[in-house]
Amino acid sequence: DQQVKQNSPSLSVQEGRISILNCDYTNSMFDYFLWYKKYPAEGPTFLISISSIKDKNEDGRFTVFLNKSAKHLSLHIVPSQPGDSAVYFCAAHSGGYQKVTFGTGTKLQVIP
Amino acid sequence: NAGVTQTPKFQVLKTGQSMTLQCAQDMNHNSMYWYRQDPGMGLRLIYYSASEGTTDKGEVPNGYNVSRLNKREFSLRLESAAPSQTSVYFCASRTFGLAGVYEQYFGPGTRLTVT
Repeated sequence: DQQVKQNSPSLSVQEGRISILNCDYTNSMFDYFLWYKKYPAEGPTFLISISSIKDKNEDGRFTVFLNKSAKHLSLHIVPSQPGDSAVYFCAAHSGGYQKVTFGTGTKLQVIP
Repeated sequence: NAGVTQTPKFQVLKTGQSMTLQCAQDMNHNSMYWYRQDPGMGLRLIYYSASEGTTDKGEVPNGYNVSRLNKREFSLRLESAAPSQTSVYFCASRTFGLAGVYEQYFGPGTRLTVT
């Protein structure tokens, strides 16, 4: 049972345009959500997070939106740059609970 | 600060052989994790350790054992490797980020092939 789903395995975007990566979850106990970025042959690195008490969190070019009623979150990258080309993982956990559940990842390609 | 280090980077085993993957962190984190990454499956939790002296099973613990040697080190052992354990293994440690979110710091991974 996949509790965190990323239904788009890949996404291609032109440099300078907006990239939108989507993530859905089924477990209503999740109250913290994170995005990680992974380059080939490297470990994932933390990008941005949001707690369930917010619906938006922004950090530079990266913004995460949370729609609790739809159990959906999205990561917006504006403007997209070739260095953003990577696999992006959505993750979620409950407060105080040690386990973090990851999605299957979306491979973003930003075309120069 | 080296962050999270893993050894070895690559390993090829024959079915039935055993090996231990090593992980160490120098960030004074209490919690440490082992994940495996397979194509189309994302990152799946094998075992985790909430603090020194404790370990717990994750989603896919069968065929693995772990040891939390001290606060810095968390090792993963394959007692009798199987081809289904061919994967990339990541170790991670965790700190509290802003407002209670768990930011995990990952090592560079160990690419394991079992023939």
